[in-house]
Amino acid sequence: EAQVTQNPRYLITVTGKKLTVTCSQNMNHEYMSWYRQDPGLGLRQIYYSMNVEVTDKGDVPEGYKVSRKEKRNFPLILESPSPNQTSLYFCASSPLAGGSFFGPGTRLTVL
Amino acid sequence: DAKTTQPPSMDCAEGRAANLPCNHSTISGNEYVYWYRQIHSQGPQYIIHGLKNNETNEMASLIITEDRKSSTLILPHATLRDTAVYYCIVRGSGTSYDKVIFGPGTSLSVIP
Repeated sequence: EAQVTQNPRYLITVTGKKLTVTCSQNMNHEYMSWYRQDPGLGLRQIYYSMNVEVTDKGDVPEGYKVSRKEKRNFPLILESPSPNQTSLYFCASSPLAGGSFFGPGTRLTVL
Repeated sequence: DAKTTQPPSMDCAEGRAANLPCNHSTISGNEYVYWYRQIHSQGPQYIIHGLKNNETNEMASLIITEDRKSSTLILPHATLRDTAVYYCIVRGSGTSYDKVIFGPGTSLSVIP
């Protein structure tokens, strides 16, 4: 089954404790990206990657890092999380000309 | 800023066609129109996309005006399960398939 998986689905953490949210896709898609969704602000792109070792900033990259060492994986790293990064996060993948598949989301709370 | 504008909300009677408009007056020649929907806080779901010809799949139809400055997503027989936020976005392909900007979308309520 074609899918995008994210882990963990829910996470409560404290300010400053480094965390990684994993994202994996099984469709051999070139393009992967991360979004955050906040009430009243909608879906905002954090980072995207058009292929292995190629990443670029979206609209809200501050406080986040990503890496694309393998085509199927695109982890999101928060080196020092802060409360303003409390949000619902989505990973997505797509071919370079086609619709995106979104993961189920990761609900992050930073205390 | 988003390259598209959509009405913030719409209602549709169950069983009737839902016609969701989208304006994209600054669309470039190589940019496609994509539609997604999001039910509650689930991951957005891809519906359909097109360049300039009308498109149809098992979920919906997409009508793009000849000047490509606007489009309409048509759900032919809306059901309660179609209640969702619908997003229209434009983006290129290949090396132009880069940053994505979502607008606030249209909240569609299907009414029994």
